[in-house]
Amino acid sequence: NAGVMQNPRHLVRRRGQEARLRCSPMKGHSHVYWYRQLPEEGLKFMVYLQKENIIDESGMPKERFSAEFPKEGPSILRIQQVVRGDSAAYFCASSLGQGAYNEQFFGPGTRLTVL
Amino acid sequence: DAKTTQPPSMDCAEGRAANLPCNHSTISGNEYVYWYRQIHSQGPQYIIHGLKNNETNEMASLIITEDRKSSTLILPHATLRDTAVYYCIDSKAGNMLTFGGGTRLMVKP
Repeated sequence: NAGVMQNPRHLVRRRGQEARLRCSPMKGHSHVYWYRQLPEEGLKFMVYLQKENIIDESGMPKERFSAEFPKEGPSILRIQQVVRGDSAAYFCASSLGQGAYNEQFFGPGTRLTVL
Repeated sequence: DAKTTQPPSMDCAEGRAANLPCNHSTISGNEYVYWYRQIHSQGPQYIIHGLKNNETNEMASLIITEDRKSSTLILPHATLRDTAVYYCIDSKAGNMLTFGGGTRLMVKP
């Protein structure tokens, strides 16, 4: 059973470009979470999605950031017009749901570098 | 902000048990206690979680006090590969995880 997959693992963008980060949850998981870790800081929650729905986006910046989890395919975190401050590791996690088996399993992350 | 408090760092001798404490004084009745670790800059790794009862799996044991205000993660025989930052987190099932500073565990030969 493959774990959470993220790609690309490393992404370099110039200021003003767009970054698209993809996350494929574990098989059978329909809940996806995105977190960001700035250099030398802890992980911060960004957004929580279920298939085709955003459940909680309280941690996502209001501008330039968006996330989706379509019926088919991976979840996408999109950052438009990137700035140097967006350089960070972006982690995706997935879980089965809200029952007792609700632990989140994390992917390896995408390291975004903005030049 | 994180609701739990943990010592910033701990050392443990290789082969000995590592006991990592956590205080969660504001935990509510329907919040679980989760433990994760992050080795270097890898993705956080789930270790164990519990609600009221003590739990054990192949990685660790989790001891939760009766009033649920504190817990201890036990790694029974620490190895060098257990060197990591360990996070305890209170969260309702399915909710976001709020990571604090964690405990940086250094396992020494």
